[in-house]
Amino acid sequence: EIVLTQSPGTLSLSPGERATLSCRASQTVSSSYLAWYKQKPGQAPRLLIYGASSRATGIPDRFSGSGSGTDFTLTISRLEPEDFAVYYCQQYGNSPQTFGQGTKVEIK
Amino acid sequence: EVQMLESGGGLGQPGGSLRLSCAASGFTFSDYAMTWVRQAPGKGLEWVSVISGGGGTIYYAGSVKGRFTISRDNSRNTLYLQMNSLRAEDTAVYYCAKGVRFTAMVPFDSWGQGTLVTVSS
Repeated sequence: EIVLTQSPGTLSLSPGERATLSCRASQTVSSSYLAWYKQKPGQAPRLLIYGASSRATGIPDRFSGSGSGTDFTLTISRLEPEDFAVYYCQQYGNSPQTFGQGTKVEIK
Repeated sequence: EVQMLESGGGLGQPGGSLRLSCAASGFTFSDYAMTWVRQAPGKGLEWVSVISGGGGTIYYAGSVKGRFTISRDNSRNTLYLQMNSLRAEDTAVYYCAKGVRFTAMVPFDSWGQGTLVTVSS
């Protein structure tokens, strides 16, 4: 099973700042089958990025994904109020699929 | 509009069974893989199981393999999760979600609002 480790656990930033979230895999993620999701309290997750760097439908271009192999990054170029949430990475290239433990982006 | 509506959650006894359903609409159900993901109270996301669009490919998390069974009825646009031998650690909100393609190894682009399963005596 591929273990995904996200860092930091919590990121305290102000609106307008840049957020950089990391996701490290315990082994190579096949074909960069790495996705990022956003979840707000009481809501279902929402797909942001798939294939490590492709934005899902309707996702603004301030969200970008990068990386390959075992190291992946989600960058939010300028934080908007609605971006404060928990973010999860997921690998779907190997079974069992796995999620990271999440990074909470909170208002400083 | 793509929608998924989960049902069947509630209180289950340790060692007992529950069956979850997920009614889908707004897309050609048989063209897409479907998955179950759960979230224990205050915890992160845990992938549970996935089934391909035609039902021919199925995978499970180790924590539920041999106890849970995923299935789908493409004529009814409905996904199921049969949960047997329930344990306290199965307590969670269970989400169903739609894959971006037919095959099982895909990300999930539309999610239901979830149904709460509580396992307790």
